[in-house]
Formats: sequence, structure tokens, C-alpha cells
Amino acid sequence: DTEVTQTPKHLVMGMTNKKSLKCEQHMGHRAMYWYKQKAKKPPELMFVYSYEKLSINESVPSRFSPECPNSSLLNLHLHALQPEDSALYLCASSLRDRGGSRAEAFFGQGTRLTVV
Amino acid sequence: AQSVTQLGSHVSVSEGALVLLRCNYSSSVPPYLFWYVQYPNQGLQLLLKYTTGATLVKGINGFEAEFKKSETSFHLTKPSAHMSDAAEYFCAVTGTGNQFYFGTGTSLTVIP
Repeated sequence: DTEVTQTPKHLVMGMTNKKSLKCEQHMGHRAMYWYKQKAKKPPELMFVYSYEKLSINESVPSRFSPECPNSSLLNLHLHALQPEDSALYLCASSLRDRGGSRAEAFFGQGTRLTVV
Repeated sequence: AQSVTQLGSHVSVSEGALVLLRCNYSSSVPPYLFWYVQYPNQGLQLLLKYTTGATLVKGINGFEAEFKKSETSFHLTKPSAHMSDAAEYFCAVTGTGNQFYFGTGTSLTVIP
């Protein structure tokens, strides 16, 4: 199984709503990532979890709240978003061991988020 | 620090022609380099990767790339373009941390 599964595929939410994006992988990867991607732009790193601990937060606004309940799951909780937060949100995972292995990242299909 | 630069945000080729997408890297450590492809409204799919060893790397869908340390380049090629190759292509580099650094992307158009 070399898949990263993201749900939902599409999400429309109002600016006062609370919603969550989910990501799951069963490849035994210990690094998991959230990226935000605007149209015609490269993915922008938001968060990195390494061994279920948040290791990188790229100065993301607090209206985005990540969570890593276990080594297979990654959530992104959304609250009070703005229309400019509309984008494709990508989850990825990679095999990163404590020795510094630099394996490739596997990406999910993304969640297309529209904030109205 | 690591970074990649993709030259040419848009490349157009005729069907059957050579595809050449350019990527140059900057890295303070031996780089691990990747090419990803993204079709509309989809995630990124790994085409190929260079870690160590052989500098000519073969990937999926007939693509290959050559790591040239002297030129700090990792250009992506395919001998004969197919209509299905039309997509966005991203070069990426990773260092010793947990981050992947992406280039700005190259949009490939294939003309019938």
C-alpha cells in the first residue's frame, strides 16, 4: 500500500464554520506533512510532524490547527477561515528515520477547500 | 540551505518531440533530488529521484533525469512527448531535515 488518503476531496465552508481535514497512510512513515497549494503555484509547507511530534510550523495562522493522533493519521482542524484560505490542501508522508534518511514524499490527492 | 530553480514556467512541445525541463539546485549538503508531476486537481506523483550512485536516473512514463554536480543541474527529459504528458512539473530537493524544497514549477503543454 503506497497510498496517502485524504478526506474529504472537496469542502465548502463558511467563515464561521469549524471543519477538519483528514489524512491517513499505512506505509509506516514517521514524517507527515501539510501543504497548501494555490493555483499555478508550488506547494507551500505548513506543518511537519516527525514521530507524531510537531517539528515544523511555518508561521501558519492559528485558525489552522494540526493534530497527529497516531503514526498513521494526520488531521488539520479549520476554524474561522478567510476566503483567501481557499486552496488545495495536500497531505504527504515520507520514511524519515532518526538517522536522517531522506526518502521521497508521497502525496495524497488533496482536499479542495473553498471558503465562502 | 537547499533550494531549486526551475527555468521556464511554461514549456510547449509538439507531440513526439523531445521534452526538456530544467532544474538547478543549491545545497550545502549532498542533495537528494526529485521530480514530481501534478495533473489538474490532483496531488503530486513522484516521477523519479536521485539519491546517490548512478547519475542517470530513469523514472516512470519514459522520463529520465541526469544529476550533474559540476553544473548543479538535474534536468528532466523524455525523448518523445505524448499528449498525456501535459501537466505541471515540480523539481524538489531535500536536505538533512524533514523539509522538501520545491521549485516554482513548469507547465508543460503538448501540441498535437
